[in-house]
Amino acid sequence: EIVLTQSPGTLSLSPGERATLSCRASQSVSSSNLAWYQQKCGQAPRLLIYGASFRATGIPDRFSGSGSGTDFTLIISRLEPEDFAVYYCQQYGSTPFTFGPGTKVDIK
Amino acid sequence: EVQLLESGGGLVQPGGSLRLSCAASGFTFSSYAMTWVRQAPGKGLEWVSSISSSGGRIYYADSVKGRFTISRDNSKNTLYLQMNSLRADDTAVYFCAKGGGAYCFSRFDPWGQGTLVTVSS
Repeated sequence: EIVLTQSPGTLSLSPGERATLSCRASQSVSSSNLAWYQQKCGQAPRLLIYGASFRATGIPDRFSGSGSGTDFTLIISRLEPEDFAVYYCQQYGSTPFTFGPGTKVDIK
Repeated sequence: EVQLLESGGGLVQPGGSLRLSCAASGFTFSSYAMTWVRQAPGKGLEWVSSISSSGGRIYYADSVKGRFTISRDNSKNTLYLQMNSLRADDTAVYFCAKGGGAYCFSRFDPWGQGTLVTVSS
C-alpha cells in the first residue's frame, strides 16, 4: 500500500499570500497518477489537479501542481477567500487507492 | 451537467445491512468507472471500492473486503454498494464519484454530495 504524507498539517495564511502544500509517497506513484482535491466544510471534495500537474475543468490558474515519483506539490499562487479549505492528495496508480491525511489552509 | 445523487443511508444496528445507490445523469454512465469513497465524522477520506465501466473489474479496500459488494446497472445509470455485517467503524458519509475513463485507475471527478451511514445500537 502506498502511504501518502502531507505537510504541513495546517497552514495559516492571509488572503493574497502564496500557499505551498506538500505530498510525499512511501513509494513511487506510477505514471504520476496523483490528484489533489479541495474540500470545504460540509461539502463533497472537488478535483483540482490530476496527473500531478493537469488542472481539472473550471479550476482557476492560481492552482498548480508539480512533482513526480514520490514528491508532489500543490501551489496556490494568491489565496482567495474561497480557497480556505482542506486539501487532500490521492494516488490512483495502484490499489488500494490512498489519500493523504489532508492539509488545512486557514485564515491567519 | 454531470450529477450524482446518493441515497440509502441511515441508522443501522451493528451486524446489519444497507444498500446504497448512486443515480447518475449528464454523461454516458456505461462508459465510465465508478467509485465509492467514505469519510468518517471529522476524519479524512478513505477509498472503499471501484468498478470498471463494464463491471468486469472490481477492487475493494481491505477494510470492507468480504462485507461490501459494489455493482452497477448500466441500463438504470445506477451504482450500488451493498454493505453487510456493518460495524461501528463503518459510520461515515459515503460519496460516489465518477472516474476519468472506463478503467478504475483514474481520477475521481465529480463527486456526489454523499449519504450518511450510522452504525449504532
